[in-house]
Amino acid sequence: NAGVTQTPKFQVLKTGQSMTLQCAQDMNHNSMYWYRQDPGMGLRLIYYSASEGTTDKGEVPNGYNVSRLNKREFSLRLESAAPSQTSVYFCASSETSAKQGFAQYFGPGTRLTVT
Amino acid sequence: DAKTTQPNSMESNEEEPVHLPCNHSTISGTDYIHWYRQLPSQGPEYVIHGLTSNVNNRMASLAIAEDRKSSTLILHRATLRDAAVYYCILISSGTYKYIFGTGTRLKVLA
Repeated sequence: NAGVTQTPKFQVLKTGQSMTLQCAQDMNHNSMYWYRQDPGMGLRLIYYSASEGTTDKGEVPNGYNVSRLNKREFSLRLESAAPSQTSVYFCASSETSAKQGFAQYFGPGTRLTVT
Repeated sequence: DAKTTQPNSMESNEEEPVHLPCNHSTISGTDYIHWYRQLPSQGPEYVIHGLTSNVNNRMASLAIAEDRKSSTLILHRATLRDAAVYYCILISSGTYKYIFGTGTRLKVLA
């Protein structure tokens, strides 16, 4: 099992460009999440999907959109990138969060720089 | 959302036990306590979780205070590979939101 995979690993964008970060999990998990991590800071939740067909905002959703394409895949889109979105982006999944005992499994991250 | 407070950094000698504290004075009765760690240049990794009773697994032990207002992650024999940022998180009943703070950076000295 690959676990949680993310593409691309690195990306450089110019201000105003758009892009989509891809995430897939092969663990048959119901819930998926997108976080960002800025230098020296903890992770902040951008959006999450409790189950296929649903998405909800996290702490810092402005400037982002998400799509839960199917049970396996959860993408994050930046419509008009800004330098403030320079960060490392992590995708995660969990069997379900309704039962708090389930752990989150994280991908390796995408390092995004917006110039 | 209930908050947690952790020291910014700690040091330990290799092969000695490490006790990482976490305060969560506003915890509610249905909040679970989760611990994750993040090694350099990697995504976070699940370590352990608990509700009221102490918990052990192959990675660590979790000691929860009787009033649940604090907890301690115990690494029984620190290795150089345990150098990481450790996050203590409270997960509320029925929520899908995991709120990460800034964690404790553990340095392990050879």
